[in-house]
Amino acid sequence: QVQLVQSGAEVKKPGASVKVSCKASGYVFTRHGFSWVRQAPGQGLEWMGWINTYNDNTDYAQKFQGRVTMTADTSTSTAYMELRNLSSDDTAVYYCARLLGRGLIYYPFDYWGQGTLVTVSS
Amino acid sequence: EIVLTQSPGTLSLSPGERATLSCRASQSVSSSYLGWYQQKPGQAPWLLIYGASSRATGIPDRFSGSGSGTDFTLTISRLEPEDFAVYYCQYYGSSPPPFGQGTKVEIK
Repeated sequence: QVQLVQSGAEVKKPGASVKVSCKASGYVFTRHGFSWVRQAPGQGLEWMGWINTYNDNTDYAQKFQGRVTMTADTSTSTAYMELRNLSSDDTAVYYCARLLGRGLIYYPFDYWGQGTLVTVSS
Repeated sequence: EIVLTQSPGTLSLSPGERATLSCRASQSVSSSYLGWYQQKPGQAPWLLIYGASSRATGIPDRFSGSGSGTDFTLTISRLEPEDFAVYYCQYYGSSPPPFGQGTKVEIK
């Protein structure tokens, strides 16, 4: 069965970087893209970007351009999201989500990781 | 960019009642790329409906989706206790793929 297991909670200081991992199992990794979505405490879902695990193409939300990098390691079936220059506004639960298909757009997010809480505090 | 507006913000209903949730797009969108997700407290979202009306794997038939153009609806025919949650619509036919702000279905 499909499983997405994310790395554990992180506490970071303002200005630091965080790298969250999402290890996939139960399917062929390169047949599905990934998206990253975050949710601030008590708030809704915010899309951050996505990555095509077959060709490493990415597309990021304009809000995070220059501050986020999404990668995929096909040898370990793991997707990564790195966010730099953190501020308190980045305190949120970060989710990886598998796309139903290989491409970026046109596919719903059919499986989600359990979420990783990133807390930014001085 | 497309903006999705969900209404109402909160829906207070009793188990067994019918729930009707609305999602309105700021411009006409393809129904092929409209989805609905359920999120329970402390859990990740879960895909319910894709393509506006197709149920995802394992989703019971009390959940149905409809709509076209700018107006879409998620209907839960008879609320079960496990259905009380927050529901989000999403348009995944563009980049960025926006989410609505969510509708909370709470027990009356």
